[in-house]
Amino acid sequence: DQQVKQNSPSLSVQEGRISILNCDYTNSMFDYFLWYKKYPAEGPTFLISISSIKDKNEDGRFTVFLNKSAKHLSLHIVPSQPGDSAVYFCAALSGTYKYIFGTGTRLKVLA
Amino acid sequence: DTEVTQTPKHLVMGMTNKKSLKCEQHMGHRAMYWYKQKAKKPPELMFVYSYEKLSINESVPSRFSPECPNSSLLNLHLHALQPEDSALYLCASSQDRTSWEQYFGPGTRLTVT
Repeated sequence: DQQVKQNSPSLSVQEGRISILNCDYTNSMFDYFLWYKKYPAEGPTFLISISSIKDKNEDGRFTVFLNKSAKHLSLHIVPSQPGDSAVYFCAALSGTYKYIFGTGTRLKVLA
Repeated sequence: DTEVTQTPKHLVMGMTNKKSLKCEQHMGHRAMYWYKQKAKKPPELMFVYSYEKLSINESVPSRFSPECPNSSLLNLHLHALQPEDSALYLCASSQDRTSWEQYFGPGTRLTVT
């Protein structure tokens, strides 16, 4: 039973446009969420996080939106750059230490 | 220094071999983690060490044996593995077990033949 879902396995976006990556979760007890970026042959790199008491967190070109009623979060990248091409995982915190990861979305930014 | 290092990068072992994976961080983090990631799947938590003590074992088979010799090092000892154990093994660390940000190493790609 996948508690964190990323329903789009891949996404292609033109350079300079907005990339929107989506994540849905089922457990209303999750209270902290993160996005990780992963390049081939590297471990996941922390990107941005959001607490359940907020609905938006922004860091440079990256913004994460949280809709608790819909159990949905999204990552916006504006403007998208070719170096953003990677696999993006969302993760939800279960308890104090355990992250449940989504299956990932492969983003390809076209030059 | 926000780096978590893992050695080796790649490992091929037979089912009767004994090998070890190593992980190191020098960020002063007191919580360290082992994850297993199969192809096209998300990382799955295996073990959590907090202040050099094993605090969580996610029902991992005993052929995987973790060890935390000091606050900077984390090992994963492997013995009598099965081909289905072939995966990417990721190490991560965080300030402590309650810290929400985990820093990951590049992983060890393990193939069991």
